[in-house]
Amino acid sequence: GAGVSQSPRYKVAKRGQDVALRCDPISGHVSLFWYQQALGQGPEFLTYFQNEAQLDKSGLPSDRFFAERPEGSVSTLKIQRTQQEDSAVYLCASSLGVQGNYGYTFGSGTRLTVV
Amino acid sequence: AQSVTQLDSQVPVFEEAPVELRCNYSSSVSVYLFWYVQYPNQGLQLLLKYLSGSTLVKGINGFEAEFNKSQTSFHLRKPSVHISDTAEYFCAVSGGTGFQKLVFGTGTRLLVSP
Repeated sequence: GAGVSQSPRYKVAKRGQDVALRCDPISGHVSLFWYQQALGQGPEFLTYFQNEAQLDKSGLPSDRFFAERPEGSVSTLKIQRTQQEDSAVYLCASSLGVQGNYGYTFGSGTRLTVV
Repeated sequence: AQSVTQLDSQVPVFEEAPVELRCNYSSSVSVYLFWYVQYPNQGLQLLLKYLSGSTLVKGINGFEAEFNKSQTSFHLRKPSVHISDTAEYFCAVSGGTGFQKLVFGTGTRLLVSP
């Protein structure tokens, strides 16, 4: 597609529920990033994929967070047993290469609200 | 590791006035620098980026930024703002070896009033 597509756009989850957030990157983009943006804050890095390989998951806040990109294209971020502190906008970005000079294209994000 | 500081959390300005949004970064390696804009309930849109070469970078919507290596700064400027420029602005840095992730500042909210 022309841009990075994320779904759903909004998600309300009851505390303790599992959620899955989808990211469809630009076709052919090697790199895929997930970021978490809390209200009034800048995006914080969660995890990085180079094709299907998850090379960095240092930003995942707990073992309740899990991400995958099994075929090197679409990625899913899963949060198990959601907590109120998980409420945030989750942004996905993709890049043609691995170096910053290729630039990064962001999706519109998924706003997760845990009630 | 890189870090970005945006000292101004909010900048109020009148329409048609000039504006400067400040950004300072910290890095032990050569960096790439970016400014993104975020309108309410939307994702991040790239305004401009510095990769190499000329230190004055021009972007979309009349914005420009100047890379100053000695002061480790990358301030964003616009000579005359519009009401529609009201948004959150994020400075970001990437660099180093291997894959390069973006590290963001905390953002500056630009409020343009008539």
